[in-house]
Amino acid sequence: EVHLLESGGGLVQPGGSLRLSCAASGFTLSSYIMNWVRQAPGKGLEWVSSITGGGGSTYYADSVKGRFTISRDNSKNTLYLQMNSLRAEDTAVYYCAKSRSSGWSATDSWGQGTLVTVSP
Amino acid sequence: DIQMTQSPSTLSASVGDRVTITCRASQSISSWLAWYQQKPGKAPNLLIYKASSLESGVPSRFSGSGSGTEFTLTINSLQPDDFATYYCQQYNTYSRGTFGQGTKVEIK
Repeated sequence: EVHLLESGGGLVQPGGSLRLSCAASGFTLSSYIMNWVRQAPGKGLEWVSSITGGGGSTYYADSVKGRFTISRDNSKNTLYLQMNSLRAEDTAVYYCAKSRSSGWSATDSWGQGTLVTVSP
Repeated sequence: DIQMTQSPSTLSASVGDRVTITCRASQSISSWLAWYQQKPGKAPNLLIYKASSLESGVPSRFSGSGSGTEFTLTINSLQPDDFATYYCQQYNTYSRGTFGQGTKVEIK
């Protein structure tokens, strides 16, 4: 059974940094594109970033490009999101999500999410 | 970037109703569209992928159709467990996974 567990969220001041982790189990992490999706309080879903199975290609929403970095350590079955220069508008629940296939596809498994709050 | 527009934003329906939600893309995305259901405080759940393929374990009362720029999610015989928010997502544009703004299905 696929299991994704995010950690690393919390309260951070504007301009600060956080590193989110997503521990994956139940599947071969290196075989799938992995994603981060966020949801601000009371708002809809927003795709944030994706990374290919080997980590060679990364993609970002314009809203986080240059501030966030996605990475993965397949040997540790872990996905990461390094978030720098955080802003109030980055406040959201951040979900780690697995793509259905090795190519660009829908996401078929999600973690429970970790809350990031950016506030003075 | 491709924009996804869902309608309606809110839908009031009764148990047993047939419900249809529409998602429009700002340019053709072929059939690279997914539908998700989300309940309060929970992660989204994949219902439909590639516009009309039912994800394993999803009840057959859910169906998807469309291609190009216009897509629909239909729920036949709405059940109490179906009251939730539904999102479409395009995954045609390589490196972008834009979501629609969501449709909340409420009890009438």
